[in-house]
Amino acid sequence: GAGVSQSPSNKVTEKGKDVELRCDPISGHTALYWYRQSLGQGLEFLIYFQGNSAPDKSGLPSDRFSAERTGGSVSTLTIQRTQQEDSAVYLCASSHSGRLDEQFFGPGTRLTVL
Amino acid sequence: DAKTTQPPSMDCAEGRAANLPCNHSTISGNEYVYWYRQIHSQGPQYIIHGLKNNETNEMASLIITEDRKSSTLILPHATLRDTAVYYCIVGNNDMRFGAGTRLTVKP
Repeated sequence: GAGVSQSPSNKVTEKGKDVELRCDPISGHTALYWYRQSLGQGLEFLIYFQGNSAPDKSGLPSDRFSAERTGGSVSTLTIQRTQQEDSAVYLCASSHSGRLDEQFFGPGTRLTVL
Repeated sequence: DAKTTQPPSMDCAEGRAANLPCNHSTISGNEYVYWYRQIHSQGPQYIIHGLKNNETNEMASLIITEDRKSSTLILPHATLRDTAVYYCIVGNNDMRFGAGTRLTVKP
């Protein structure tokens, strides 16, 4: 079946602009995660959605970052007033039920803030 | 914060076993050990996980010490395509990725 998809694959924006990154999880997966990976670095957890529960936002680096998951499926990560340090690959993953399940990752969105 | 310690890099000869260590001395009784890998320019890929017993699947074997404070991921016959960053993660309600080990398989 189809894996996790993300769009766009690449996004170049100017400092101060807002961006929206999209994630389509695997159908039927109730858990969805967003991570950030700066060049040469490990993954940085951002946010976790599980079903209808309140999301775990503990990894969001600032209030410029927000995410929503509509209808328990597609998720959008929004970064407002982008800064150059926001440049990174943003990875989305989904899992069947919970945080202990195998996570399936999408290809990521490479964000470049000029 | 990641709860694991891994060497930053390792080399392995093609066809030989690659043994990747991970220290998790603060692991609690209900936390699992997970391994993922990330090949260049791709998203991470699940490899294996375990709680107490050693585990084996088509990709690798996971050896967990009796005190559970460390583990080793074994790729029995490493190929060039196994060159990647390998992440060891522990958790029971949360999984945080550390910096991982960059494994380079050399011909």
